[in-house]
Amino acid sequence: KAGVTQTPRYLIKTRGQQVTLSCSPISGHRSVSWYQQTPGQGLQFLFEYFSETQRNKGNFPGRFSGRQFSNSRSEMNVSTLELGDSALYLCASSPEGLQNPGNTIYFGEGSWLTVV
Amino acid sequence: AQSVTQLDSQVPVFEEAPVELRCNYSSSVSVYLFWYVQYPNQGLQLLLKYLSGSTLVKGINGFEAEFNKSQTSFHLRKPSVHISDTAEYFCAVTARDDKIIFGKGTRLHILP
Repeated sequence: KAGVTQTPRYLIKTRGQQVTLSCSPISGHRSVSWYQQTPGQGLQFLFEYFSETQRNKGNFPGRFSGRQFSNSRSEMNVSTLELGDSALYLCASSPEGLQNPGNTIYFGEGSWLTVV
Repeated sequence: AQSVTQLDSQVPVFEEAPVELRCNYSSSVSVYLFWYVQYPNQGLQLLLKYLSGSTLVKGINGFEAEFNKSQTSFHLRKPSVHISDTAEYFCAVTARDDKIIFGKGTRLHILP
């Protein structure tokens, strides 16, 4: 069974631009959640999508948005990039989502975003 | 709301020695606790989780953790570490219908 796939793995953007990151969950998983990892703030929850609906959201500005498609694939978008958005963005999938803690969450290898 | 604190940002330990990585949480409701491991340039992998029941939880790679409600702790232990255990370890907490909160992580350095 293929794992969680994130693309692209590495990218460099300039301030003010926007970026879209993609995540393909494990087959059969309906929940996709996104996280930002930085040396200073650690690992922070961005949002979760389940069956195309946003189920929960972390404390991030509106520049961070996402969506989920009918095949459960998800995209995350960051608009008007700032230097502080440089981070590793991790995607994770699970069968029933974060509302069921008994679920195991499977993480992708992440997308490294550098904003210059 | 929940919070989690990992008390050590880095822990050096000699190979084959025991190790304990500390995690404390706070919450006003019943919680679920997790330990994840992140190897260099990889995503996170679940080591173990506490949902209910026995307070001693065994995970993969010989790790175990003990849930202590009175001390609000969930420390991770391994009796004998190997060089391959070099990684960053994250403690996480969640409650039903709430988001997951991660600690800042503890880097485990295995010394030869």
